[in-house]
Order: sequence, then structure tokens, then C-alpha cells
Amino acid sequence: AQSVTQPDIHITVSEGASLELRCNYSYGATPYLFWYVQSPGQGLQLLLKYFSGDTLVQGIKGFEAEFKRSQSSFNLRKPSVHWSDAAEYFCAVRGRTGANNLFFGTGTRLTVIP
Amino acid sequence: SQTIHQWPATLVQPVGSPLSLECTVEGTSNPNLYWYRQAAGRGLQLLFYSVGIGQISSEVPQNLSASRPQDRQFILSSKKLLLSDSGFYLCAWSRASYEQYFGPGTRLTVT
Repeated sequence: AQSVTQPDIHITVSEGASLELRCNYSYGATPYLFWYVQSPGQGLQLLLKYFSGDTLVQGIKGFEAEFKRSQSSFNLRKPSVHWSDAAEYFCAVRGRTGANNLFFGTGTRLTVIP
Repeated sequence: SQTIHQWPATLVQPVGSPLSLECTVEGTSNPNLYWYRQAAGRGLQLLFYSVGIGQISSEVPQNLSASRPQDRQFILSSKKLLLSDSGFYLCAWSRASYEQYFGPGTRLTVT
């Protein structure tokens, strides 16, 4: 069965600093991988996705993520964080066969300090 | 372009009352539709999904139910709400096997 682990519940970074949010997945083969962002009281917005091909994927708002099969990881990165990036970030995985359901991690809350 | 709507945005209901949350999608046809619940401080839990009109799959046994009366309409219901039903309810859609797009959510408080 698929599962996702986001080991960091809360991360605080200074504005302008770099950011890396960790995501580890469990799946028997290469899954589809996603990162979503959620501002307080809002729905989820898709940041980026990995289906196949280049393991470094670019997303919106200057985010990127790298799929590492050997580590079962799909970490999210941004070279310079803006105050508007403060939000909750969710990693999700979907298997390549069967139902289209996404399995989400429990999220990482990002605080940005000036 | 596609848009997804949910209403109401917020709802306060007493225990034992019925529930009806609605989700509609515009700009696409025959989407897969999903209902998730997000409890405070936790991730998202898939409740129901649908691949077509009248086709509902339940992921978690509970006192909630879902229906899809029209291609782009997905309804979440309950006959009698429990305190534990409080949470943030999110509807999402996708094209077949691709990424899911989420609505703005409904905040439900059961008192």
C-alpha cells in the first residue's frame, strides 16, 4: 500500500533563505508524486508533479522537487523563500495502477520570519 | 478553464442534524470527483470518490454518504451529524489518472 511521510511538522526559515521540505514515500514501484500548498482556510493548490522523465521537476512560485528512487524521496526546494510562502505543504503519492486516489502526508507547516 | 465550486463555505450544525455539502465543476466533462476531510492538524483523508454518474466508492465507513446526480455535481450528505464530523471538507476533481484539483473547502463545525 502507498504511504507518505513528511518528517517535519513545522519549519521556520528567514525570508530570503533557502528551503527544503522532506517527503518519503512507500510504494512498490515508481509512483506519481505531487506537492500541494494550502494557505489557512483555503483549498489545496498544486505546486508540481512527477510522472516520469527528468527527476528534477519545476513548479509554480519558484519551487522545484527532485525524485530520488534510491531514497524513495521527493523533497521540495526553493532557493529563496518569500514571506508569502508561509503555508502548509503536503506531499502526495498515487500508484500507477488501480484507483486514482491520492495518499497524503500529514503536512509541513512553514513559517517565514522577516 | 476549469473551476470547482463548493458551498457553503462555512457551516455550523447541531449534533443529530442532517448535512448536505455540494461541489460542482465547470469547464470539463466526465471528471473523477473526490471528497476529502481534513481534521485540525492532520492530513487529508479520502472519504469518497466517483468515476461517473451514480458510481460512488467509499474509502472509510462512517455516517456520511455521497451521491453524484449529474456529471459535474458531487454531494456529501449525512442523516445525523456527530461531533466527530467536524472538519474541513474538500472536494477535488481530476481527469482520469492525472493530478487532482481542489475546491476552496467547507468548514463544518458540529456543536
